[in-house]
Amino acid sequence: GENVEQHPSTLSVQEGDSAVIKCTYSDSASNYFPWYKQELGKGPQLIIDIRSNVGEKKDQRIAVTLNKTAKHFSLHITETQPEDSAVYFCAAPGGTGNQFYFGTGTSLTVIP
Amino acid sequence: DVKVTQSSRYLVKRTGEKVFLECVQDMDHENMFWYRQDPGLGLRLIYFSYDVKMKEKGDIPEGYSVSREKKERFSLILESASTNQTSMYLCASSLGGLARYNEQFFGPGTRLTVL
Repeated sequence: GENVEQHPSTLSVQEGDSAVIKCTYSDSASNYFPWYKQELGKGPQLIIDIRSNVGEKKDQRIAVTLNKTAKHFSLHITETQPEDSAVYFCAAPGGTGNQFYFGTGTSLTVIP
Repeated sequence: DVKVTQSSRYLVKRTGEKVFLECVQDMDHENMFWYRQDPGLGLRLIYFSYDVKMKEKGDIPEGYSVSREKKERFSLILESASTNQTSMYLCASSLGGLARYNEQFFGPGTRLTVL
C-alpha cells in the first residue's frame, strides 16, 4: 500500500513568515494529494488539494507544489497569521473506495 | 454544509466493556470511515463502508467491528475495550460513485479513555 511520510512534526514561525511542510509518497500511480487542517477540538478539514496533471496550485496565502518524479509534495503558507496555528495532514490515495493514507501530521505554531 | 456528528466528545470506559461509538452524517454520502488518531502516528484507518451493510477493513481493524444498517449512520464497536484502545476516534464521510478521491468530511472526534 501507499506510504506517506511527513516532515517536520512540529514547526514554529513568527507571524508574517512563511511555513513549508513536506510529504513524500511511495506509489508512483498516486494522482491526487489533499491537505487537511485540524484546529484544536475539531476534526480535520480540507484546505487545498492538487491533482497530478499540475505542478502547483494556489489559493490566497496557501499553495501546494507537486514533484511527481521525486514523489513529493509540499504545503506553503505565506504571511502566516495566528489563526494558521493548527495540525496539518497530507494524504495520498490508496486502495479502493476513496481511501486515503494520511501523514503523521505537522503541528504549526505561529508566534504573534 | 455537510455535518458529521459523533455521539460523544469524551468517553471513559473500563477494560473489558463493550463500547459503541456512533457517527451520523446528513449529506447522503455513500462512503463512511472510522479513524483513530494518536500522537506521532497521524490518522489510521480502522474500517470503512461504501454502502449500507458493506464494510471493508482498513489498516488496523483488530479489536474493532463496525455496523452500517442505515446510510447515514456508521457505528464503531469495541467488543472488549482494552487500555491500548485509548485514543481519539474520528468519523468521516464522502461522496461515492464514479468520481474518485472525494473530499472527506470529518466529525469533531470522540476522545475515548479505557481504564
